[in-house]
Amino acid sequence: GDSVTQMEGPVTLSEEAFLTINCTYTATGYPSLFWYVQYPGEGLQLLLKATKADDKGSNKGFEATYRKETTSFHLEKGSVQVSDSAVYFCALSAARGGADGLTFGKGTHLIIQP
Amino acid sequence: NAGVMQNPRHLVRRRGQEARLRCSPMKGHSHVYWYRQLPEEGLKFMVYLQKENIIDESGMPKERFSAEFPKEGPSILRIQQVVRGDSAAYFCASSPPRPAGAFFGQGTRLTVV
Repeated sequence: GDSVTQMEGPVTLSEEAFLTINCTYTATGYPSLFWYVQYPGEGLQLLLKATKADDKGSNKGFEATYRKETTSFHLEKGSVQVSDSAVYFCALSAARGGADGLTFGKGTHLIIQP
Repeated sequence: NAGVMQNPRHLVRRRGQEARLRCSPMKGHSHVYWYRQLPEEGLKFMVYLQKENIIDESGMPKERFSAEFPKEGPSILRIQQVVRGDSAAYFCASSPPRPAGAFFGQGTRLTVV
């Protein structure tokens, strides 16, 4: 079945450091890929997405490129801020009935220290 | 356009009671999904519904759990005879008829005591 594997946390960085959170997936067909962010006590917010190979999703300084050859969708940011501290989830669309049922990774807790 | 609305935000139930979680999708969204997030875990898909239809319930426990999305009103996730292991955050998401990425509610945190 479909699955998503992302690096375990917590990941602790200093402010302005470069961020990479690895994500790889296993899926049949050609899924869409997503990164969601969850701030403490809140629901998930869509951060960025890519719907086909070589697409790059970007938002708020975060980027991820859909790499079909390596089945990866790594999240990157050039200079993190304290406000980026949150849990980040990589996900793929499971194509349930052609809609957006998602398969999630376990999440990576990111802690940014001033 | 309000986002996905879930209520209550927090729900405490004693073992053996029923829990009813409500979800109102975004306006114009006809697809609703329920996910469960256990402590220190990612989100697990439970069920996918359209109006008056359950499309995929492959993630639902076989007993005590049910979901509906009636023609009028919110989607309801019902858990009968709750046990401590049901304690989790339950998230609802909705999406429009054409897949475009699901939007999530803030979740209902269920605590079974």
